[in-house]
Amino acid sequence: GAGVSQSPSNKVTEKGKDVELRCDPISGHTALYWYRQSLGQGLEFLIYFQGNSAPDKSGLPSDRFSAERTGGSVSTLTIQRTQQEDSAVYLCASSSTGGRTEAFFGQGTRLTVV
Amino acid sequence: SQQGEEDPQALSIQEGENATMNCSYKTSINNLQWYRQNSGRGLVHLILIRSNEREKHSGRLRVTLDTSKKSSSLLITASRAADTASYFCATDGNSGNTPLVFGKGTRLSVIA
Repeated sequence: GAGVSQSPSNKVTEKGKDVELRCDPISGHTALYWYRQSLGQGLEFLIYFQGNSAPDKSGLPSDRFSAERTGGSVSTLTIQRTQQEDSAVYLCASSSTGGRTEAFFGQGTRLTVV
Repeated sequence: SQQGEEDPQALSIQEGENATMNCSYKTSINNLQWYRQNSGRGLVHLILIRSNEREKHSGRLRVTLDTSKKSSSLLITASRAADTASYFCATDGNSGNTPLVFGKGTRLSVIA
């Protein structure tokens, strides 16, 4: 596609349920990032995939969070046993060569845990 | 972990005035980037400045980088109401395969 696509745009889930957020990066981009942004706050780094290298998971806040990137393309961020503090906008970005080039962002998934 | 810190957190100016935002970071970098965010959704890349560059221009934007002070500034000249947004700096590390890490942002309000 022409840009980074995220789905769903909005997700409301009950506390304790699992959720999956999807990101389709720009074709050919080897780097893919996930960030979390709470209302009025900055971007909190979650996880970074770069080519075939082991992902940098240093930003994942707990073991309830995990992410995969299948075939070097689509990525799924999974949050298990959601908590109210997980409510935020989850942003995905991709770039052609990682931090040395500009990142292109999707429009995000707004997650609300009730 | 937060690498960059923007200053001020919020800035309110009149249309036509210049807006200056600052970013400080902690570790060595290959480059520093500035992004803009409207309405709390996707960010848009504005400009990238490499560690061996000191100043860069793009339209009404001027970015400076001082690696000795580990700081950068973004100047928007002749601001417009449409410039109202949040502005973030982002840095990579200099060890090769490192992710972009963003600061907390500056919320700019341009009053018509």
